[in-house]
Amino acid sequence: GAGVSQTPSNKVTEKGKYVELRCDPISGHTALYWYRQSLGQGPEFLIYFQGTGAADDSGLPNDRFFAVRPEGSVSTLKIQRTERGDSAVYLCASSDLSAGGLDEQFFGPGTRLTVL
Amino acid sequence: GDSVTQMEGPVTLSEEAFLTINCTYTATGYPSLFWYVQYPGEGLQLLLKATKADDKGSNKGFEATYRKETTSFHLEKGSVQVSDSAVYFCALRGSNYKLTFGKGTLLTVNP
Repeated sequence: GAGVSQTPSNKVTEKGKYVELRCDPISGHTALYWYRQSLGQGPEFLIYFQGTGAADDSGLPNDRFFAVRPEGSVSTLKIQRTERGDSAVYLCASSDLSAGGLDEQFFGPGTRLTVL
Repeated sequence: GDSVTQMEGPVTLSEEAFLTINCTYTATGYPSLFWYVQYPGEGLQLLLKATKADDKGSNKGFEATYRKETTSFHLEKGSVQVSDSAVYFCALRGSNYKLTFGKGTLLTVNP
């Protein structure tokens, strides 16, 4: 079946602009996660959704970052007033928490964001 | 807070060599431990996992044993192939659902 998809695959923007990154999780997965991977580093947690609500947003670096999941499926990560330090690969993952503990997180291919 | 420290690369081996990538962790309670792999041009994939002490995860010839006494989860493979060239990430999941990753280890296997 289809995996996690993310669009766009690449996004180049200018400092100060607003960007939206989209994630389509695996159908039926109730949990959705956003991570950020800077060059040479492992992914770092940003936010976790259970259904439509953000269950844990402790990883969002500041109030320029916001994410929504209005219908409990697709999620959008929104970054306002982008800065050069926001340049990274943004990864989305989903998991099925009803699977009796088999809550493997399945990752999408990521969106590479470059802020000039 | 939770943290993962893994062997820094890059690691370069010849085909059929033995591989070890060290991983140690710091966490409260009893985390689940994972190795993820990222092949060139592809997304992160789960390679193997272990959910409790002394569990051994295995897949594709790779193995790792959850050692609570040494807080380690070292990745091993007896005979690597060129197709194993990738970046390997050790990760843990603590009491919440988020994954905490190490920095990754680039493995290159030469024919």
